[in-house]
Amino acid sequence: DVKVTQSSRYLVKRTGEKVFLECVQDMDHENMFWYRQDPGLGLRLIYFSYDVKMKEKGDIPEGYSVSREKKERFSLILESASTNQTSMYLCASSLARGGTYEQYFGPGTRLTVT
Amino acid sequence: AQTVTQSQPEMSVQEAETVTLSCTYDTSESDYYLFWYKQPPSRQMILVIRQEAYKQQNATENRFSVNFQKAAKSFSLKISDSQLGDAAMYFCVNWEGAQKLVFGQGTRLTINP
Repeated sequence: DVKVTQSSRYLVKRTGEKVFLECVQDMDHENMFWYRQDPGLGLRLIYFSYDVKMKEKGDIPEGYSVSREKKERFSLILESASTNQTSMYLCASSLARGGTYEQYFGPGTRLTVT
Repeated sequence: AQTVTQSQPEMSVQEAETVTLSCTYDTSESDYYLFWYKQPPSRQMILVIRQEAYKQQNATENRFSVNFQKAAKSFSLKISDSQLGDAAMYFCVNWEGAQKLVFGQGTRLTINP
């Protein structure tokens, strides 16, 4: 079974803090993704990566950055957290080739910025 | 930009009955995939069913089936013999290409015992 894990289920941070969200997958997937999930908006793509050290902006990259130093690990960074970044953050991974584009999701991190 | 629209924010059904969740999408691709994902309360998002656009036959997975109308760009999910464990948020999803997925807003399904 594919396993995608995220470092925290719940996180509370103060405005202006630097926040790191970690994601690890154990299936040697090339692609990894960060989404945020807000009620009524579904999931929106923040960043994705199709290889180590490679990254692409998604639909809402402002205020976020990412890092992928190893194939299995993809980090989301909030350089200076703001209250409008309070949300559920989901990480996902998928095969680049030979698959059906299915993405496998982690359990999510519910981040509250106060 | 490609879009996916789920017009039913919430639905409910009696246990053992059948329910249909609606979805429409907009894409410029000729070949694409569509998915329904399920997110149970406080649990991980999982794939329920997938449909390849080039296949005319509707996909089925046990009690879950889809009605794929390519010309109308419609992709509904039917759940037969609803069970309490089917209670979840359901997302209709389109594969946009370049490895990206586009999600609908979600439909929260409640199962009444």
